Formats: sequence, C-alpha cells, structure tokens
Amino acid sequence: DGGITQSPKYLFRKEGQNVTLSCEQNLNHDAMYWYRQDPGQGLRLIYYSQIVNDFQKGDIAEGYSVSREKKESFPLTVTSAQKNPTAFYLCASSSPPTRMNTEAFFGQGTRLTVV
Amino acid sequence: GDSVTQMEGPVTLSEEAFLTINCTYTATGYPSLFWYVQYPGEGLQLLLKATKADDKGSNKGFEATYRKETTSFHLEKGSVQVSDSAVYFCALTRPPMDSSYKLIFGSGTRLLVRP
Repeated sequence: DGGITQSPKYLFRKEGQNVTLSCEQNLNHDAMYWYRQDPGQGLRLIYYSQIVNDFQKGDIAEGYSVSREKKESFPLTVTSAQKNPTAFYLCASSSPPTRMNTEAFFGQGTRLTVV
Repeated sequence: GDSVTQMEGPVTLSEEAFLTINCTYTATGYPSLFWYVQYPGEGLQLLLKATKADDKGSNKGFEATYRKETTSFHLEKGSVQVSDSAVYFCALTRPPMDSSYKLIFGSGTRLLVRP
C-alpha cells in the first residue's frame, strides 16, 4: 500500500541533543513538507521541498535542518538550537505543483518530548 | 500574504445536530481549497476539496462550497455523529505554477459531539 511512514512515533530528547525524525513515502510525490503542531494549535510549516536536492525554509525553520537526497525521504533534524522542541511533528507529501489536484497526504506523526 | 481563518472552537454539539464550521481565506489568484480532519494522536486525512469557484466538495456527509465572492469555504454536515469528533482544518494551496507553492492551514476547529 502506498503511503507516508514517520518514525519513531514517540521520541524523547535530552537537553542539548540533536535528534532526527524520519519520513519516507512511496507515493512517487515530488513535494514533501514538515509541519509542527503544538497543543490546541494549527500547523506551522518548518521546511518544504519541491524536488530532490532542493528545499525551502518555511515559517519556523530556525533550529531545524533537513535534507532531500532521495525522492522518497525527507528527514528532519531538530538541533540543540531549537529552544522549545516539544511538539507533534507531521510530515506530508503531495503531487507535483503543476497539477491541480495537489492535496497532501500525511504521516501519523512523531511526538517529540524534551526530558 | 496568504492566510486561512477558521472559527475558534471547541464546537460542542449533540448527536444528529447540524454542523457549520466557518472558513475564510486570503489569497491571490485561484487557490485550491481543502478540509482535513485529525483524529486524536493521528496525522491529518483529506476530507474534501474544491479546485475552482462554485465547486462543491463532499465526502462522508460533509460538504463545502468554494465561494470566491465571499472568499469562504464553510464546512457543513446535516447530522453529526459521535464518531465525527475530531479537529478540522481548512487549508489552501497557491496556484500550481506559483514558485512559492505550499499548503497553508487554518488554526483548526475542535468538534465534540455528545451522545
């Protein structure tokens, strides 16, 4: 079955550590996204990528980094520079932006907690 | 810049009541509009969409009509069920050829349906 897989589902980070969240899709989508969701809040865009080896900062990119070496994968690293990383992180992918039907498909999310 | 505004929740209804969740948007050109639903602890799922003015998206008894004159995309359902309890997000995408293509979400509206 096609879809997006995020791992792990739960992640705990110590102060000062970097952690990497995985996102893999087998939908053959060109575009991939990372969003952050805080309790009772909407989704805020961290980074997005429209094509392999290219990505753009979203609204809250500070303290995060990404790579897009393969079409299927878009890992997110939460660095020690991110002062308040505890949140629910969602990865999404969508069809190429040249098509009108550009709905996004989401993974199940990773809940990151700083301990 | 582009934005989506949703009514604040939570919205609490009794089973079989009529539901309306308001959504208005600001965007240049002709964006595509979406409603996504998020069940507790999960990612987002596409509920319905509309890609041009006067289009009506529908799914699982939910409907929304793309109103360009009022820049709105209100979500409605004639008779809600307890299983509809979730958070609902309105979203838009820029026109497909726009170089700043990305999904923009509203803040979400929590719906609680009581038996």
